[in-house]
Amino acid sequence: EVQLVESGGVLVQPGGSLTLSCAASGFTFSSYWMTWVRQVPGEGLEWVANIKEDGSEKYYVDSVRGRFTISRDNAKNSLFLQMNSLRAEDTAVYYCARETERSGYFYFFDYWGQGTLVTVSS
Amino acid sequence: DIQMTQSPSSLSASVGDRVTITCRASQSISRNLNWYQQRPGKAPKVLIYGASTLESGVPSRFSGSGSGTDFTLTISSLQPEDFVTYYCQQSYSIPHSFGRGTKLEIK
Repeated sequence: EVQLVESGGVLVQPGGSLTLSCAASGFTFSSYWMTWVRQVPGEGLEWVANIKEDGSEKYYVDSVRGRFTISRDNAKNSLFLQMNSLRAEDTAVYYCARETERSGYFYFFDYWGQGTLVTVSS
Repeated sequence: DIQMTQSPSSLSASVGDRVTITCRASQSISRNLNWYQQRPGKAPKVLIYGASTLESGVPSRFSGSGSGTDFTLTISSLQPEDFVTYYCQQSYSIPHSFGRGTKLEIK
C-alpha cells in the first residue's frame, strides 16, 4: 500500500526556519517525481515545488524561490522541504504528493499525504 | 506562469442534478488538465487526468472534456457524497497551478 506521511509542521515565528519531511512507503520512491503542495486553511491549493526522481532537477513557485529548498533521500525513501525566512503568508497545510505519468504525456498526483500544518506567527 | 480560472466558485444543486464546472487556462495547455475532489480535512483525490480520462475507481457519473484553454468537469447525477470541493490543475508547465476551487452545496 502506498503511503506518504508528512511531519515537522509547527508554530514558528516570522523569519524563522523549519524543515518538513515526508516518509514514503509501498512503492519505489526513487522512480517518481515528488511535489509539495500547500493549502491555507479554508482556501485553495498551491503548487510549491517539485523534484526529479534522482534529485537532479528542482522547481519552485515564485513566492518561495530562494527561501525554500526541496530535497530527497532515496536511500531513506524521504522527501524534505527546508523553509527559511518564513512569512505569515506561508501559513498552510503542506502536503507531499507523488506525481505519476500516463501515456508518456499526462502527469498528475495519484497519492497524497495527510498534510502537516505550518503556522507562522509571533 | 499559467493562470487557471475556475467557475463558479460555489454551486448549489440537488441530489440527482447534472452540474458542470468550468476551468479556463490563461494559455493553451493542450489536454494537460486534471480534476481533483477534496473532502473537508482530507487530501485531494484525482478524478480525471488528461482532460477526459477517468482515473481507476472513479464513478462513471464524472466526466471531463476540453482542450487548449477551456475545460469542463460534469457530474451527471449528483450523489450526496459529491457535495464537496473540486479543483482543476494544469500539468503543462511549471508551476503546475490549480484553479481556486468550486464548492458544491446542497440546495
